[in-house]
This record gives sequence, C-alpha cells and structure tokens, in this order.
Amino acid sequence: DAKTTQPPSMDCAEGRAANLPCNHSTISGNEYVYWYRQIHSQGPQYIIHGLKNNETNEMASLIITEDRKSSTLILPHATLRDTAVYYCIVKGSNYKLTFGKGTLLTVNP
Amino acid sequence: EAEVAQSPRYKITEKSQAVAFWCDPISGHATLYWYRQILGQGPELLVQFQDESVVDDSQLPKDRFSAERLKGVDSTLKIQPAELGDSAMYLCASSLQDSGNTIYFGEGSWLTVV
Repeated sequence: DAKTTQPPSMDCAEGRAANLPCNHSTISGNEYVYWYRQIHSQGPQYIIHGLKNNETNEMASLIITEDRKSSTLILPHATLRDTAVYYCIVKGSNYKLTFGKGTLLTVNP
Repeated sequence: EAEVAQSPRYKITEKSQAVAFWCDPISGHATLYWYRQILGQGPELLVQFQDESVVDDSQLPKDRFSAERLKGVDSTLKIQPAELGDSAMYLCASSLQDSGNTIYFGEGSWLTVV
C-alpha cells in the first residue's frame, strides 16, 4: 500500500474551515484514499473516501488532485468536537488499512 | 446505524494471566480485523479474517496471541500469558468483502496489564 505524509499537528478556529493535507505520491491507480478520525479513547471513525473524483458527505469534503498524488480533507465549519487525530490512508486491494501517525487537529474557541 | 460491538470495554489483568476480547461485526460483513493501538501510535493490524479463515496474521505474536472466528461471524482474541507490554487498546473492525468497501471500527477494548 502507498505511504502517506501528513503534518503532525494543525490548529483551527471554531467555525472556520479546517483543511487537512495529505501527500500520497506513490498511490496506484486502483487504490482508494480514506480518511478516518479518532477522538481520544475511542475507535477510529470513518469520515470519507474517494478514488479519483472529489467527494462530499454530511461530515466533510475530500479534494483529490488530478494526478492523485495528494488530497485535502475539508471540514467546512469546525467545532470543538472535531478536535481529534485525523488519519489519511491509502487502501489497496488487500482489503486492509495501514495507519500512520495522522494529524492532531485542535479546534480552538 | 449498525455497529461493531466489542467487550469488555476495559480490562485490568495481572502479568502472566490470560485475557480474552470478543467482537461481533456488523451483520453481513465477511471481513473482520483485529488491530492493536499502543498509546500515542496509530492502530496496527494483528489479524485479518475472511469469513472463518485467517488471511493475514503476519503481525500476530503467535507465541502468546490467538484469534478465532469459528462460524465466520463473531470473533475472540486471546492473550496468554499477558505481559506488561501488551497494555494497549484492542480494536475490532469489519467490512464487506470487496476491497472498495469501508472498514468500520468498534469502540475498542482497553487492556492494562499490571
């Protein structure tokens, strides 16, 4: 599976958009980009995933560059409850997720 | 919304004792995973089942850890004997069979070995 690179931490003001970047320059054509988050002491929560096209759901938007080498997770109106570790994962055909260290997003009042 | 169920939520055990964790995946999910997460790190895959068969246990410490999914539904992860370094959160996850399907996690079981 392709490796990902994320900043270790980011801050965001409450009510503002949070844009979390992820680099996955070695991604293959059939590999999906998945985003999960983990709030302290809880299991990882699925947010969104995509292959080529941008995706949006009730939680977030996922923007994937045309060359698929990077992506951005957008939380449009961050709240204090969005403070968590966010994991960007490239998932291949072997059905499993390989987690990195993720980005600790802190939403400040 | 269907969830992955895990128990117990918290477990404290003494070194050298046996401990077991149980997982009930989302109904219909053929693939089941056990992950271990040490504090401050991301989850690491221990074992992956497809129905009742193990498809990947390369990271499972087989001298003390065992996992089974006898009827292809719920699963048990056992540690015997427990060591201090086994203190971690044990996460169960499940998905439909296809590689494009989302993996959903349970709330995890926290283990403290004293």
